[in-house]
Amino acid sequence: DAKTTQPTSMDCAEGRAANLPCNHSTISGNEYVYWYRQIHSQGPQYIIHGLKNNETNEMASLIITEDRKSSTLILPHATLRDTAVYYCIVRVAVQNFVFGPGTRLSVLP
Amino acid sequence: GAGVSQSPSNKVTEKGKDVELRCDPISGHTALYWYRQSLGQGLEFLIYFQGNSAPDKSGLPSDRFSAERTGGSVSTLTIQRTQQEDSAVYLCASSLSPGAFYEQYFGPGTRLTVT
Repeated sequence: DAKTTQPTSMDCAEGRAANLPCNHSTISGNEYVYWYRQIHSQGPQYIIHGLKNNETNEMASLIITEDRKSSTLILPHATLRDTAVYYCIVRVAVQNFVFGPGTRLSVLP
Repeated sequence: GAGVSQSPSNKVTEKGKDVELRCDPISGHTALYWYRQSLGQGLEFLIYFQGNSAPDKSGLPSDRFSAERTGGSVSTLTIQRTQQEDSAVYLCASSLSPGAFYEQYFGPGTRLTVT
């Protein structure tokens, strides 16, 4: 599965949009982009996934560039409860669900 | 609705003892996965079950680790003769079907401490 790179940490003011970038320049045509987050002491929580089109659900929006080499997760109105580590994963093989270090998002009051 | 549940939430055991960790997947999910997460690390895949097919055990770190899934639902991960390096959070996930299209839903995990 393709490797992803994310910033180590980001801050966001409460109520503002949080934009979390992810680079996946070696992504192949049949690999999906997944975003999960992990709030302290909890299991990972699914957020959103996509293949090539932009996606939106009740939690977030996912913007994938046309060449699919990068994507951005957008939390439109961040709250304090969105403070977590956010993981960007690209995968096709069911067993290779490997989480890298992710981005530690701190939402500040 | 009910999510993935795991028990116990915490387990402290002495080195050399056997432990069993339980996972109840979301009803109707055919795929079940076990991972472990050591402190400050990412998830490490252990084993994967899909329906009645033979499980993918490629991630099990040693023959001390085994897992069963009875009746296509509940799964038990067993660690025999535990070692201190087995200390980690063990996470179970399930998905409606295998494959990249389907998202995996994770349980809260079992924190295993081997003393």
